Amino acid sequence: DTEVTQTPKHLVMGMTNKKSLKCEQHMGHRAMYWYKQKAKKPPELMFVYSYEKLSINESVPSRFSPECPNSSLLNLHLHALQPEDSALYLCASSHGGWGAGGMTREQFFGPGTRLTVL
Amino acid sequence: AQSVTQPDIHITVSEGASLELRCNYSYGATPYLFWYVQSPGQGLQLLLKYFSGDTLVQGIKGFEAEFKRSQSSFNLRKPSVHWSDAAEYFCAVGGNNDMRFGAGTRLTVKP
Repeated sequence: DTEVTQTPKHLVMGMTNKKSLKCEQHMGHRAMYWYKQKAKKPPELMFVYSYEKLSINESVPSRFSPECPNSSLLNLHLHALQPEDSALYLCASSHGGWGAGGMTREQFFGPGTRLTVL
Repeated sequence: AQSVTQPDIHITVSEGASLELRCNYSYGATPYLFWYVQSPGQGLQLLLKYFSGDTLVQGIKGFEAEFKRSQSSFNLRKPSVHWSDAAEYFCAVGGNNDMRFGAGTRLTVKP
């Protein structure tokens, strides 16, 4: 299995809702990433997990809460989002863990979750 | 921190014509360079990467890229474009515990 899967594909939520995005990979990768991508913009790194531990949080608001329950799964819990949080949320993974050289490895991306906040 | 510039926001080429997408990077050490392609509403797919060695790298779907250290460039090329190549193309540089993507170049292919 050489793919990263993400569910749901689309999500519409109100500003008071709580929802979660899910990402899964079975390639044995030990680094997993969340990116946010606005329309016609490049992906922006949000979080990096290495060996199931949070390694990087790019100053993301606390209304986004990542979780890595095991080496294959990565969740992003959403609460009290704002309309400007509407975007495509991409998950990616890479071989090995983070550490030195973590960002020098090829990342495998999932298809993304299209999030709309009303 | 590293940075990437893709000077062309949008390029239109005719099917069968050659293609070159430009990428310039800024990084103090040896860069790890990538080209990704993204179809509308989809995730990113790696086309090719450069870490070291031969400066001309071959990728999937007939793409190649050439690393030129003197010009801080990593341009993507394809000799003959197919209609299915229409997509957004991102150049990226990795290192210093960070991955930076360029703003992207949107490719339109005319019949």
